[in-house]
Amino acid sequence: GNSVTQMEGPVTLSEEAFLTINCTYTATGYPSLFWYVQYPGEGLQLLLKATKADDKGSNKGFEATYRKETTSFHLEKGSVQVSDSAVYFCALKRGGSEKLVFGKGTKLTVNP
Amino acid sequence: SAVISQKPSRDICQRGTSLTIQCQVDSQVTMMFWYRQQPGQSLTLIATANQGSEATYESGFVIDKFPISRPNLTFSTLTVSNMSPEDSSIYLCSVAAPGTGELFFGEGSRLTVL
Repeated sequence: GNSVTQMEGPVTLSEEAFLTINCTYTATGYPSLFWYVQYPGEGLQLLLKATKADDKGSNKGFEATYRKETTSFHLEKGSVQVSDSAVYFCALKRGGSEKLVFGKGTKLTVNP
Repeated sequence: SAVISQKPSRDICQRGTSLTIQCQVDSQVTMMFWYRQQPGQSLTLIATANQGSEATYESGFVIDKFPISRPNLTFSTLTVSNMSPEDSSIYLCSVAAPGTGELFFGEGSRLTVL
């Protein structure tokens, strides 16, 4: 079946540190891949996405590259800010379906 | 984009009771989804609710436990029936934007069952 495994949290970093949150997936066919973010007290928001192999999604300084050979979609940011503190969810969606399969989420706390 | 409002945002309920969660969208959408996020777990799709048809439930979820209404293109309700402590979760409403198919989520309804 389809599944997403992402790095266990919580992750605590100092401001301006480098961030990596690992995400790997299992899926039939060629899924689309997503990172969603949930800021405290808010709903999930789409952060970035990639729809085919070698695509790089980017937004707000975050990047993730769709790696088919390693079935991965790791989230990275070169210099995190306190405002990046949130829970990050990796997710996949199979072609022809609107259903998302989520990872468990990784809580990130960035300290000043 | 779509703005989604869910009510209640949180509630504490007694075992054996039922609670209805409302989801209101600021635009007309065809597909609406209900997800559950149990403590420490990922989001799990409960069902897909399309206007004018019966909801489609995922494996492990049944209509008797989670009846869903979809009376029009901007509104849906999810009822959690005969609640037990295992139903303590965050329940999220989601919609697919026409055209892009991008999914938008409400803030969630946090239920605690005692």
